[in-house]
Amino acid sequence: IAGITQAPTSQILAAGRRMTLRCTQDMRHNAMYWYRQDLGLGLRLIHYSNTAGTTGKGEVPDGYSVSRANTDDFPLTLASAVPSQTSVYFCASSADGPNNEQFFGPGTRLTVL
Amino acid sequence: DAKTTQPTSMDCAEGRAANLPCNHSTISGNEYVYWYRQIHSQGPQYIIHGLKNNETNEMASLIITEDRKSSTLILPHATLRDTAVYYCIVRVVDDYKLSFGAGTTVTVRA
Repeated sequence: IAGITQAPTSQILAAGRRMTLRCTQDMRHNAMYWYRQDLGLGLRLIHYSNTAGTTGKGEVPDGYSVSRANTDDFPLTLASAVPSQTSVYFCASSADGPNNEQFFGPGTRLTVL
Repeated sequence: DAKTTQPTSMDCAEGRAANLPCNHSTISGNEYVYWYRQIHSQGPQYIIHGLKNNETNEMASLIITEDRKSSTLILPHATLRDTAVYYCIVRVVDDYKLSFGAGTTVTVRA
């Protein structure tokens, strides 16, 4: 059982380019989340999905979009990347409601130049 | 506005108990206290959570004061692998958001 996988592990991207970060979980968790973590700071929620077919905005959603076509996958898209989106991105999932523990993926380190 | 206050850093000796304090003086009746930790370059890891009763699991114990304005995470026998940033988080029931602050950097020394 892999848990949560994220791809790519790291990426260097030119400003203005489109980028999709992938996240897949095999735990059949209903809820999934995307966070970003900037140097020296805690994680901030970008978007979340409490079940397949629904999504919601987190604390810092601007410049990002998500989709949840099925239970397992929750891709995060940067339509036109900017340098301020340089960060480490973590995907997470939790079972059956928001009060259950969140399981985090290994992260994607994104650099926008 | 920060919901929790934690010390910036602390050291503890390997094999000893590590007691990590957290103040959450504005906590509401429908808010839980969660603890996560993040080992360098990895994703955060859930440790424990509680509402008002003390809780214990295989990783740690959580002691919440009677007025719920503060709590302490106890790692009973710290090892070098427990070196990490520990986050105390107050979370509203039915709120999907985990709000991470800066946490406490815990260094376990041999």
